[in-house]
Amino acid sequence: DAGVIQSPRHEVTEMGQEVTLRCKPISGHDYLFWYRQTMMRGLELLIYFNNNVPIDDSGMPEDRFSAKMPNASFSTLKIQPSEPRDSAVYFCASRSGQISNQPQHFGDGTRLSIL
Amino acid sequence: GQQLNQSPQSMFIQEGEDVSMNCTSSSIFNTWLWYKQDPGEGPVLLIALYKAGELTSNGRLTAQFGITRKDSFLNISASIPSDVGIYFCAGRWNSGGSNYKLTFGKGTLLTVNP
Repeated sequence: DAGVIQSPRHEVTEMGQEVTLRCKPISGHDYLFWYRQTMMRGLELLIYFNNNVPIDDSGMPEDRFSAKMPNASFSTLKIQPSEPRDSAVYFCASRSGQISNQPQHFGDGTRLSIL
Repeated sequence: GQQLNQSPQSMFIQEGEDVSMNCTSSSIFNTWLWYKQDPGEGPVLLIALYKAGELTSNGRLTAQFGITRKDSFLNISASIPSDVGIYFCAGRWNSGGSNYKLTFGKGTLLTVNP
């Protein structure tokens, strides 16, 4: 079965540029999560969606970050303009809310480097 | 906000040894999860615990949900080289609503010397 698919796997860009990270959740999963992982802060939840609707975006660091989920099979996380401190690994995860106690399944992440 | 303290931060052990790591929380959780992350990959769920006092095994892994709901431990018995990776605990408090947010520990980096 296909897991959570993220693209690109690696992104290197100069500060000030717009960055778009993409995620395809597992088919049938109605919850989607965006995380950021750094050495200093570990794994932090940025935002999560239920049935394509943002439920909690309290973890989004600032207005330069935005996330959308136009349909059940696709989500984007955008950073505009990007800054060096945004360098991190960004993970997408999904889970099914139809069955109780279902765990989150993670993608392999996008390693982002802002120069 | 909720905070998780995971220890130790790193461990260097010999193949065949047993390993223990734990997490403590400043507040109560009603779900504890343990994940493993290999280099270049996302975290993968190892064990899920849903009830205070619950002790669950998955092969050589054993995890327990502390009776106070503020702690959990993970044991790995007879370690092998492929156990190398970063182990994360995660807790969730959902009060019957739709809170599916996980709080993660900072991770334990495990190195196994063959």
